[in-house]
Amino acid sequence: NAGVTQTPKFQVLKTGQSMTLQCAQDMNHEYMSWYRQDPGMGLRLIHYSVGAGITDQGEVPNGYNVSRSTTEDFPLRLLSAAPSQTSVYFCASSYRGPGGGPDTQYFGPGTRLTVL
Amino acid sequence: GQQVMQIPQYQHVQEGEDFTTYCNSSTTLSNIQWYKQRPGGHPVFLIQLVKSGEVKKQKRLTFQFGEAKKNSSLHITATQTTDVGTYFCAANFGNEKLTFGTGTRLTIIP
Repeated sequence: NAGVTQTPKFQVLKTGQSMTLQCAQDMNHEYMSWYRQDPGMGLRLIHYSVGAGITDQGEVPNGYNVSRSTTEDFPLRLLSAAPSQTSVYFCASSYRGPGGGPDTQYFGPGTRLTVL
Repeated sequence: GQQVMQIPQYQHVQEGEDFTTYCNSSTTLSNIQWYKQRPGGHPVFLIQLVKSGEVKKQKRLTFQFGEAKKNSSLHITATQTTDVGTYFCAANFGNEKLTFGTGTRLTIIP
């Protein structure tokens, strides 16, 4: 199993450019999530999905779009990049946990994004 | 909103000393998870606590969930250089999301 894979590992964008961060998992997990990590702010949830065709907003969704057409893939789209979106982005996946929420989160290696 | 406070933000300890990080919520939690992130790496799952008053141990690590399910702690006994990293709690409030604490960065002085 490859686990959770993310591409690219590094990216530099200019303000206003668009791009898609790719995330894939091969563990047949229902849950997939996107987080951003900024110094001193922990991991903040951007968007999440509880299954193919179902997505919802997290804590900081503005400026980002997602879709989940398959169980395996959960791409994150930046429509018009801004310097405030400079961050490290992590994708994670999990099964449904005992209380109905997400169980153990398996994280990808991350994408370091810089917006100039 | 549903937030979880994690303290301290930083902790510097001599090798061999103990270390503790705490997470607190004003709202009852469904469960809480703990993760470790090494410098330059991604978060890695350590444990999940579900029951009121639950205590779990992993070698030198002890995890506790409060009786009211509003707080949790991670205690490391006799720290080693391999313990370096940032420790995060992640709280579930009974919905489909995890809310991460801001993390405690542990550095070890040899």
